Amino acid sequence: GDSVTQMEGPVTLSEEAFLTINCTYTATGYPSLFWYVQYPGEGLQLLLKATKADDKGSNKGFEATYRKETTSFHLEKGSVQVSDSAVYFCALSHSNTGNQFYFGTGTSLTVIP
Amino acid sequence: EAGVVQSPRYKIIEKKQPVAFWCNPISGHNTLYWYRQNLGQGPELLIRYENEEAVDDSQLPKDRFSAERLKGVDSTLKIQPAELGDSAVYLCASSSGGARLGEKLFFGSGTQLSVL
Repeated sequence: GDSVTQMEGPVTLSEEAFLTINCTYTATGYPSLFWYVQYPGEGLQLLLKATKADDKGSNKGFEATYRKETTSFHLEKGSVQVSDSAVYFCALSHSNTGNQFYFGTGTSLTVIP
Repeated sequence: EAGVVQSPRYKIIEKKQPVAFWCNPISGHNTLYWYRQNLGQGPELLIRYENEEAVDDSQLPKDRFSAERLKGVDSTLKIQPAELGDSAVYLCASSSGGARLGEKLFFGSGTQLSVL
């Protein structure tokens, strides 16, 4: 069945460091791919998404490119800030499964000044 | 615009007791989801509603879990009786588009349940 595997955490970075959180997926056809973020004490919120191969989603300095050939959707940011400290979830939805969302296990990021 | 509202924020109960969670989705959102998030895991779907109809409840443990969405707006998720393994965060989410491909979900802050 459809699934998402993402890099285990926790990840600790210094402010202004480069961030990569790996995400790979298993699905037939062409799912939509998402990154959701959960800040402390808040609900999950959409960070970015891509709905077809080679699309790049971007928001708040974060980027992720839908790579069909490697079944990946890695999240990157060139210079992280303390305010980026949160848990990041990779997810997919697929028409084959009624657009049900499948989430990864989450990666906790802590950015230190 | 108000977001998805859930209550209570925290709930502590003893095993075998009943518990209920409430969710008010974003106004106008026809699709409502209940997810369960275990510690260190991603959310897992329990049930999805399109208006008042449960269109996907295949992951809902029906022997002890029930849900309703009267009038297609607010929803309640109930567990009776609760077991120790039910301790988790219960998340409600809504969307406007009937689970279209690429549709964005809006999540509430969740109810953290502890069963002792």
